[in-house]
Amino acid sequence: DTGVSQDPRHKITKRGQNVTFRCDPISEHNRLYWYRQTLGQGPEFLTYFQNEAQLEKSRLLSDRFSAERPKGSFSTLEIQRTEQGDSAMYLCASSLVGGENQPQHFGDGTRLSIL
Amino acid sequence: AQSVTQLGSHVSVSEGALVLLRCNYSSSVPPYLFWYVQYPNQGLQLLLKYTTGATLVKGINGFEAEFKKSETSFHLTKPSAHMSDAAEYFCAVGGSNTGKLIFGQGTTLQVKP
Repeated sequence: DTGVSQDPRHKITKRGQNVTFRCDPISEHNRLYWYRQTLGQGPEFLTYFQNEAQLEKSRLLSDRFSAERPKGSFSTLEIQRTEQGDSAMYLCASSLVGGENQPQHFGDGTRLSIL
Repeated sequence: AQSVTQLGSHVSVSEGALVLLRCNYSSSVPPYLFWYVQYPNQGLQLLLKYTTGATLVKGINGFEAEFKKSETSFHLTKPSAHMSDAAEYFCAVGGSNTGKLIFGQGTTLQVKP
């Protein structure tokens, strides 16, 4: 169990640029979640995958956001035309399917700063 | 619908004192409840979880929590605080068929020497 890995850890970019984050889940986990955490707040659900299928997207996920999980392994989260309000920590988590009591294991996140 | 309220955004205790972090939830389905801890610039680490069965659950680092359905609460306790317990603590509720978690706003625990 090598844990959930996220890359990069920090990203600084100018407003209007596109950014892409990567998440590598724990290898045997078939569910993968993306959350966003702003300063002083708890994480907020963005979207999740079961294997390669994206099964739910939050209303927080505007059209500028897109997530993929090709082949049901790693996932990417892309933000197009970044805005100041996109500045946040983006957290990825993974879990097993097998009853909703399976705990989610979190990565260390990608902190996005928009200049 | 599900929601979580953590009472007290900031709790300060002395080293060796009892830690009590409060969490109340709302859920239209039988809830699964979790406590996570977050250290600066890190992700969330699971402390403990309640799914079914015993209502008093024990977690890592000496923490425990009790599920009280009648009070819709899941408060986190530790008998004796250590300096290393200083961190942000999040209560979360799950139980939908998606497995997604709804988090509270968090409680910052400060431990004074």
